[in-house]
Amino acid sequence: DQQVKQNSPSLSVQEGRISILNCDYTNSMFDYFLWYKKYPAEGPTFLISISSIKDKNEDGRFTVFLNKSAKHLSLHIVPSQPGDSAVYFCAASERAFGNEKLTFGTGTRLTIIP
Amino acid sequence: SQTIHQWPATLVQPVGSPLSLECTVEGTSNPNLYWYRQAAGRGLQLLFYSVGIGQISSEVPQNLSASRPQDRQFILSSKKLLLSDSGFYLCAWSVGRAFFGQGTRLTVV
Repeated sequence: DQQVKQNSPSLSVQEGRISILNCDYTNSMFDYFLWYKKYPAEGPTFLISISSIKDKNEDGRFTVFLNKSAKHLSLHIVPSQPGDSAVYFCAASERAFGNEKLTFGTGTRLTIIP
Repeated sequence: SQTIHQWPATLVQPVGSPLSLECTVEGTSNPNLYWYRQAAGRGLQLLFYSVGIGQISSEVPQNLSASRPQDRQFILSSKKLLLSDSGFYLCAWSVGRAFFGQGTRLTVV
């Protein structure tokens, strides 16, 4: 049972445009959400997170939006740059319950076209 | 600052051979430690997590085991590898969010 889903395995975006990566979850106990970026043969690196008490969090070019009623979150990257080409993973945890285990989605490969 | 070391970076092992992957964390005490696996074309699957020395929780039944002999050391093992154990293995520690090691590419042949 995939509790965190990223339904788009790949996405191509022109450099300078906005990249929007989507993620859906089914577990209503999840209250903390994160996005990770991964290059080939490397460990994922943390990008940005959001708590369920908020609906938006911004950090430079990266913004995460959370829609709790729809159990949906998205990552916006604007403007997109060639160095953003990587696999992006959405993750979730039940932090309020002291459970920091992260459940990951299957990832979306983002390609920025120069 | 905290760092996480994971080795080896790549490993090719024959079917039926044993496995030992090691992970150590520096700069923090009593971290939560995790082993994840990324199989080809799939997401990151949590294999084991540990909240303290000798405390291991397994997330999925499998051919692997984990041990935590010291506070900042986490070991992933197998007595006999299967072809299906091939993948990219990642160690992580967490405090609020997870920090990952560089990963081990395991190919079982």
